[in-house]
Amino acid sequence: AQKVTQAQTEISVVEKEDVTLDCVYETRDTTYYLFWYKQPPSGELVFLIRRNSFDEQNEISGRYSWNFQKSTSSFNFTITASQVVDSAVYFCALIDDYKLSFGAGTTVTVRA
Amino acid sequence: NAGVTQTPKFRVLKTGQSMTLLCAQDMNHEYMYWYRQDPGMGLRLIHYSVGEGTTAKGEVPDGYNVSRLKKQNFLLGLESAAPSQTSVYFCASRRGQVKEAFFGQGTRLTVV
Repeated sequence: AQKVTQAQTEISVVEKEDVTLDCVYETRDTTYYLFWYKQPPSGELVFLIRRNSFDEQNEISGRYSWNFQKSTSSFNFTITASQVVDSAVYFCALIDDYKLSFGAGTTVTVRA
Repeated sequence: NAGVTQTPKFRVLKTGQSMTLLCAQDMNHEYMYWYRQDPGMGLRLIHYSVGEGTTAKGEVPDGYNVSRLKKQNFLLGLESAAPSQTSVYFCASRRGQVKEAFFGQGTRLTVV
């Protein structure tokens, strides 16, 4: 069974629009960790944020913000005022029983 | 400090040939992972290791074997390559349960 679901396959926006990426996860553990990674066109995987299951505070880092809600098992990611450099594939991931599982990814295209 | 290094970066194999992909990390990380990335399927876990001398199956282990004889190295073997194993392979390592994973640059493997 898929543990991390990213329902949006592709999102295309015009520069300066906001983009929200959805992530829904499934786990039986009470302690778990969630991550977001970015994969730009160059192909490397870049870590963006880590969140543990006990910390439901939202977080903002520059134009990036994350909304973690245990009640809905969601860990959504918003890019505010998107820029062309934000064009990438974004992955949500979950650590569960030592395994690091990824969602299928959401491709974000920001047009100038 | 090189981080996570994958060797080789590109390879073309004929069906039935064997090969080994090497992942080396210099961060003294306990956990190491091998993933394959295919279009629309995200990163799928092949095998992982929670320490030197240990390995475990991930989501898609068939056709692959792994070994972790030294803490810093995690080898992925293909005994008899098949066209279905054409993919981009990523290695990752992580220190402890809560820490984010660091990824190698990827290996693009084509089986013809």
